[in-house]
Amino acid sequence: QLQLRESGPGLVKPSETLSLTCTVSGGSISSPGHYWGWIRLTPGKGLEWIASIYHDGNIYYNLSLKSRVTISADTSKNQFSLKLSSMTAADTAVYYCATSLDLYKRNWFDPWGQGTLVTVSS
Amino acid sequence: QSVLTQPPSVSGAPGQRVTISCTRNTSNIGATYDVHWYQRLPGTAPKLLIYVNNNRPSGVPDRFSGSRSGTSASLTISGLQAEDEADYYCQSYDSSLSGPVFGTGTKVTVL
Repeated sequence: QLQLRESGPGLVKPSETLSLTCTVSGGSISSPGHYWGWIRLTPGKGLEWIASIYHDGNIYYNLSLKSRVTISADTSKNQFSLKLSSMTAADTAVYYCATSLDLYKRNWFDPWGQGTLVTVSS
Repeated sequence: QSVLTQPPSVSGAPGQRVTISCTRNTSNIGATYDVHWYQRLPGTAPKLLIYVNNNRPSGVPDRFSGSRSGTSASLTISGLQAEDEADYYCQSYDSSLSGPVFGTGTKVTVL
């Protein structure tokens, strides 16, 4: 059974870059069949998909965030990571990692990590 | 502004039926995409409740049901229970984002 767990700083200063890691257990991120993604929950905008990465290294971004987002995978550690640059208060959110079968039709996310609260403040 | 609009809140007494709508507000009304639903209990991660419009994952009570017609979808909770008090989100695909998109979210309150 797949399980995901986020880790990273809870506090980031404005203009800095956020770095988060998702550790996957119960399955390999290098196996075909799953897209590994990041989603955030903000008070103002609700849930927002950020980006996903496939086992072959293909990356898919929310076009509204693409310029600030980097997503990568470390198959040796069975982890994938998110970097979000130029953080502002509007990026304060609970960040989740989750998996889906694809991004178009079978694009439901299940399971999710427990989430990590990131606050942007000086 | 999400392309999927939900009512901010709905409420009902225990045992009642409540329905949450999810409406796609886009000029591309010819596009119909499948809809999924999530429940987010306070302080927890979203949990998949319904996938592909009307399918329940194993373990989800059958009082939860979904439907889709054209560019609108709905989630119905029949026989509302106290533990159903949560936030509910619909999700689909958005061609302008080239990826998944979530609804604005609905808070369900059990009176």
